[in-house]
Amino acid sequence: NAGVTQTPKFQVLKTGQSMTLQCAQDMNHEYMSWYRQDPGMGLRLIHYSVGAGITDQGEVPNGYNVSRSTTEDFPLRLLSAAPSQTSVYFCASSYSRGGDTQYFGPGTRLTVL
Amino acid sequence: AQSVTQLDSHVSVSEGTPVLLRCNYSSSYSPSLFWYVQHPNKGLQLLLKYTSAATLVKGINGFEAEFKKSETSFHLTKPSAHMSDAAEYFCVVSDLTGANSKLTFGKGITLSVRP
Repeated sequence: NAGVTQTPKFQVLKTGQSMTLQCAQDMNHEYMSWYRQDPGMGLRLIHYSVGAGITDQGEVPNGYNVSRSTTEDFPLRLLSAAPSQTSVYFCASSYSRGGDTQYFGPGTRLTVL
Repeated sequence: AQSVTQLDSHVSVSEGTPVLLRCNYSSSYSPSLFWYVQHPNKGLQLLLKYTSAATLVKGINGFEAEFKKSETSFHLTKPSAHMSDAAEYFCVVSDLTGANSKLTFGKGITLSVRP
């Protein structure tokens, strides 16, 4: 199993540009989520999904959209990038619930100029 | 509401000496608690997990943690530090109730290991 994969690993955007961060898992997990990691702040939940077709907001959802058309994929869209979105983004998945053990992807390092 | 406090942002030890990384939590429910480790430029990996079974939990790479309800603590320890233990460590709390249960992360502790 590949586990949780994320692409790209690095990305540089200009303010106002849009992009999609890809996340896929091959463990048949129902729950998937996106976190952002900023220095000294731990990880903060952006959006999550409890199954295909079901998504909800986390702690810091503004400026991001998600969709879940399949169990395997959970892309994160930045609609109009801002410097405040410069961060490292992690996708995670678990068997059933957000409170259960999470399996993390390797991360995407995003810089917005 | 639940929260995690990791008072130390940086801990430095010598190789071969004990490691103590402190974590205190707040939770309205009987919590589940986790420690995750993040090596430089890597994703997070589960070290160990407490879910109301034995209060002393053993994890990977010789780490263990003890759940103390009276002190609302879940400190991470290792008897002898190795250079490869240098990483960032996150204490995490979850109420594990319902489909919408979530993890709350502490701010992380950077562990440095001196030769």
